[in-house]
Amino acid sequence: QSVLTQPPSVSGAPGQRVTISCTGSSSNIGAGYDVHWYQQLPGTAPKLLIFANNNRPSGVPDRFSGSKSGTSASLAITGLQAEDAADYYCQSYDSSLSAPYVFGSGTKVTV
Amino acid sequence: EVQLVQSGAEVKKPGAEVKISCNVSGYTFTDYYVHWVQQAPGKGLEWMGLVDPEDGETRYAEKFQGRVTITADTSTDTAYMEVSSLRYEDTAIYYCARDRSNSFHLWGQGTLVTVSS
Repeated sequence: QSVLTQPPSVSGAPGQRVTISCTGSSSNIGAGYDVHWYQQLPGTAPKLLIFANNNRPSGVPDRFSGSKSGTSASLAITGLQAEDAADYYCQSYDSSLSAPYVFGSGTKVTV
Repeated sequence: EVQLVQSGAEVKKPGAEVKISCNVSGYTFTDYYVHWVQQAPGKGLEWMGLVDPEDGETRYAEKFQGRVTITADTSTDTAYMEVSSLRYEDTAIYYCARDRSNSFHLWGQGTLVTVSS
């Protein structure tokens, strides 16, 4: 069971806006640690999509945006495109000793 | 161009060990942690551990402590991840990734390890 909870799937028509939630706790997101988001296209390695809550690495379209509040974070995709069909994972740091780097359970986006 | 290039797929028998490499280029190896992440078939991502190439210090997830060894060779700019006493459930893709402020900034292409008798 993942420390960070995400919906298993989200779907939308081309051009629509979808959001993916990532719910944590007081030992990770709620403790003030940054949230990062990754996109994993089928059969490929994950790719950093958003870092430090709301920052896009060079080359990531501005259709992708992130936000964080309290013990949760969200990834929004506006103007959904067919190429956005992928699995998305949130990730943060956790103050527990068992595993300090924690991932969300993953969300499959269907376009 | 910054790259992390991993070794090829492996097929191992239960009880054996496997050692995967991750050769980096395009940046100073000792400037960033290297993490290892497991992805079982059809499953999500799970952090296994990291190495600080500057001093060789490591940290492991409790689940993998004792059976996984992560090292770094600064003479070849290569990080290694070894899993001993392989079990069927260790069948997975293993990724190395470069750290940036506690995120996994850049990833290797992944190495499939299949445990089969």
